[in-house]
Amino acid sequence: AQSVTQLDSHVSVSEGTPVLLRCNYSSSYSPSLFWYVQHPNKGLQLLLKYTSAATLVKGINGFEAEFKKSETSFHLTKPSAHMSDAAEYFCVVRSWSGRRALTFGSGTRLQVQP
Amino acid sequence: NAGVTQTPKFRVLKTGQSMTLLCAQDMNHEYMYWYRQDPGMGLRLIHYSVGEGTTAKGEVPDGYNVSRLKKQNFLLGLESAAPSQTSVYFCASRAAGDSYEQYFGPGTRLTVT
Repeated sequence: AQSVTQLDSHVSVSEGTPVLLRCNYSSSYSPSLFWYVQHPNKGLQLLLKYTSAATLVKGINGFEAEFKKSETSFHLTKPSAHMSDAAEYFCVVRSWSGRRALTFGSGTRLQVQP
Repeated sequence: NAGVTQTPKFRVLKTGQSMTLLCAQDMNHEYMYWYRQDPGMGLRLIHYSVGEGTTAKGEVPDGYNVSRLKKQNFLLGLESAAPSQTSVYFCASRAAGDSYEQYFGPGTRLTVT
């Protein structure tokens, strides 16, 4: 079975400082991993995805994530937080079951302080 | 190109009432999904469809039914609503193939009193 664990339910940073949102995964097969963002009262938007190509994946809005197989991690980073980054972030792994669906982490709420 | 749309956006039901949530996509996607989102639990898969006329159960299917009579539409029904079904419901779709990237609708906020 596949699963993801988001290690922090809330992260608070100051504007202009780095962002680190942590995610560990468990997968029986070579995983496909994603980060989605959800702004308040909005749907989910894909930030970036890893599908066994380059281990450092660049996404939209300056975010990137590094796939580390030895650590079973897929942490999301951004060098400098912006107020508009305040949102909920979900780490997601592809399911290899017949559902052909995605399994979501519980989410990390990012606050950005002025 | 509207992407994935959901109707209604908000709804309040009394316990025991029924309703249908409609999801529509204009991207000609094969696969469609219904999720529910509850605080601290991420999104959980209710039902899904891998093509027109097919449906299957997800993680939390009890109390819900679905139909996919047309490729572009995926309906989620609650026959007898319960307070435990108070949630935000998201529909998603994706193309066939290995990408697995799903496109989400804006959500329906349902309250059952």
